[in-house]
Amino acid sequence: DGGITQSPKYLFRKEGQNVTLSCEQNLNHDAMYWYRQDPGQGLRLIYYSQIVNDFQKGDIAEGYSVSREKKESFPLTVTSAQKNPTAFYLCASSIGGTDSPLHFGNGTRLTVT
Amino acid sequence: QKEVEQNSGPLSVPEGAIASLNCTYSDRGSQSFFWYRQYSGKSPELIMFIYSNGDKEDGRFTAQLNKASQYVSLLIRDSQPSDSATYLCAVNPRSGGYQKVTFGIGTKLQVIP
Repeated sequence: DGGITQSPKYLFRKEGQNVTLSCEQNLNHDAMYWYRQDPGQGLRLIYYSQIVNDFQKGDIAEGYSVSREKKESFPLTVTSAQKNPTAFYLCASSIGGTDSPLHFGNGTRLTVT
Repeated sequence: QKEVEQNSGPLSVPEGAIASLNCTYSDRGSQSFFWYRQYSGKSPELIMFIYSNGDKEDGRFTAQLNKASQYVSLLIRDSQPSDSATYLCAVNPRSGGYQKVTFGIGTKLQVIP
């Protein structure tokens, strides 16, 4: 079955460490996205990519980095520069274009202490 | 002004009643509108999308769009306890170019048995 796989489901890190969240899709979607969700704040866009080797900053890109070397993969690195990294991270993909809905992975819950 | 506004709730309705969830958006040029359901601790799942003014029905769900009033709503008929979740309104504020869907904070729905 086609879908989006995020791993791991739970991730624990010490403050000051970089951490990479994995996102893989086999839906043959062109566009991929990373969102962050905090209680009471809804989903906020971190980065998005419409094609391989191209990506754009979203609303809260500071302290994060991404790469898009393959169509299927869009990993997110949370760097030590991110002030409040503890959150629920959601990866999504879409066919692309203005009318296509987002399909979400199951999310990674990151806790930094 | 927030781009997409929703009342965070909770909205409580008795089992079997109609639940009405509302969303307003600020960008008059918005082209596509989505409703996602999110159970606690899970990722959002698409339940409805609408592009044209008027109503769109899918089973117990009806999405309503009024572009003149910049208003989109979701009606859930015969509400069930399993409908208890947070409902996210999402709007694509641009036509053409990169897609950048914006989410509201979500309305928490509680269906009381």
